[in-house]
Amino acid sequence: QKEVEQNSGPLSVPEGAIASLNCTYSDRGSQSFFWYRQYSGKSPELIMSIYSNGDKEDGRFTAQLNKASQYVSLLIRDSQPSDSATYLCAVNMGGSQGNLIFGKGTKLSVKP
Amino acid sequence: ETGVTQTPRHLVMGMTNKKSLKCEQHLGHNAMYWYKQSAKKPLELMFVYSLEERVENNSVPSRFSPECPNSSHLFLHLHTLQPEDSALYLCASSPRGEVLTDTQYFGPGTRLTVL
Repeated sequence: QKEVEQNSGPLSVPEGAIASLNCTYSDRGSQSFFWYRQYSGKSPELIMSIYSNGDKEDGRFTAQLNKASQYVSLLIRDSQPSDSATYLCAVNMGGSQGNLIFGKGTKLSVKP
Repeated sequence: ETGVTQTPRHLVMGMTNKKSLKCEQHLGHNAMYWYKQSAKKPLELMFVYSLEERVENNSVPSRFSPECPNSSHLFLHLHTLQPEDSALYLCASSPRGEVLTDTQYFGPGTRLTVL
């Protein structure tokens, strides 16, 4: 069973703090990893993609990938109330033409 | 706006009805996808089309029938649905049709309620 696990939260952080979102996945052969943000009642929007081990930074967001531990994380620096949303981890676990598996998402709440 | 549109945005149908969901992408992408998002469950990939050919069908019941007449349009035909099929149906597209690494862009979704 191919799975992506996330803590459902809610994760509550004060404004200005670092929010840390974590994700583990079951398929060691997975090649590509994505973080999506989904506001309530809206469709997912891509935040970050990462393909190789290490860190990838984009503005206030940093994605971290550790394939040996089958672990991917998203750090949000200087969290803002507008960052309050559900964050979906998605892992492409291969297959005939790819199979993108999503986690259930972590709900983040940034308190002013 | 991501350049992916879906119609209708809301749909209520009875179990004996036949309806279709439409997705259109204005991004020049080569791949399109249908997803189902139910409450308390992860987003589920239903179908993948790359260059208008279906390349993935994740054990979706036959009461859901996709159609991709060209690279810009994707339909999901619905027939004899069950109440448990009520969900948000999301369409997505990606640039190269290389599903393993492509970034997907989502439409706003169709909220489907089956009575």
